[in-house]
Amino acid sequence: AQTVTQSQPEMSVQEAETVTLSCTYDTSESDYYLFWYKQPPSRQMILVIRQEAYKQQNATENRFSVNFQKAAKSFSLKISDSQLGDAAMYFCAYRSAYSGGSNYKLTFGKGTLLTVNP
Amino acid sequence: GAVVSQHPSRVICKSGTSVKIECRSLDFQATTMFWYRQFPKQSLMLMATSNEGSKATYEQGVEKDKFLINHASLTLSTLTVTSAHPEDSSFYICSAKIAGGRNEQFFGPGTRLTVL
Repeated sequence: AQTVTQSQPEMSVQEAETVTLSCTYDTSESDYYLFWYKQPPSRQMILVIRQEAYKQQNATENRFSVNFQKAAKSFSLKISDSQLGDAAMYFCAYRSAYSGGSNYKLTFGKGTLLTVNP
Repeated sequence: GAVVSQHPSRVICKSGTSVKIECRSLDFQATTMFWYRQFPKQSLMLMATSNEGSKATYEQGVEKDKFLINHASLTLSTLTVTSAHPEDSSFYICSAKIAGGRNEQFFGPGTRLTVL
């Protein structure tokens, strides 16, 4: 079974600064997807960024980028120029790339609560 | 973007009653939907995978007779909590995968269940 570990229960960053959230995972599969989701106080899950394991290039979405180290099974999220609206719980998630029913399920880490200080 | 709705957003019920939560994909067809449970300040825990037209696949430790899932159409899945007890109080979130190969799941806004 796959596991996802987020070792930082809480992080804080000053507005306009950069912060990196850590995530490691364990899997025996060679092809999979990794995600970072944001959950603000509204509890709505929002996809921040997605990485496909077979792609060596790190995914980037505006101020959000990842450092994907497949051999180390590490998938960290960097938030640049942090904004007050970035304050939320961030979840790292894993999904198998193999198709079919339960293979589409997401396995989540425990989350990191990010506080942005003005 | 794809939108998933949940109804109701909040429900309070008495112990022993049953509660039904609906998850709808509003602008796409979803052959697969997922039901998660989230306790305060904790992560999302998958309860079951709901496949249109077939029985749901439950995760280990989830009582299928207590949490009834029905996915009768390509846009609707329901979760019924039967004989609810206070320990069933939680935040229930559904997600839906677009039929036909897109990999992203879209999440509903969640339902807060409080059992008195």
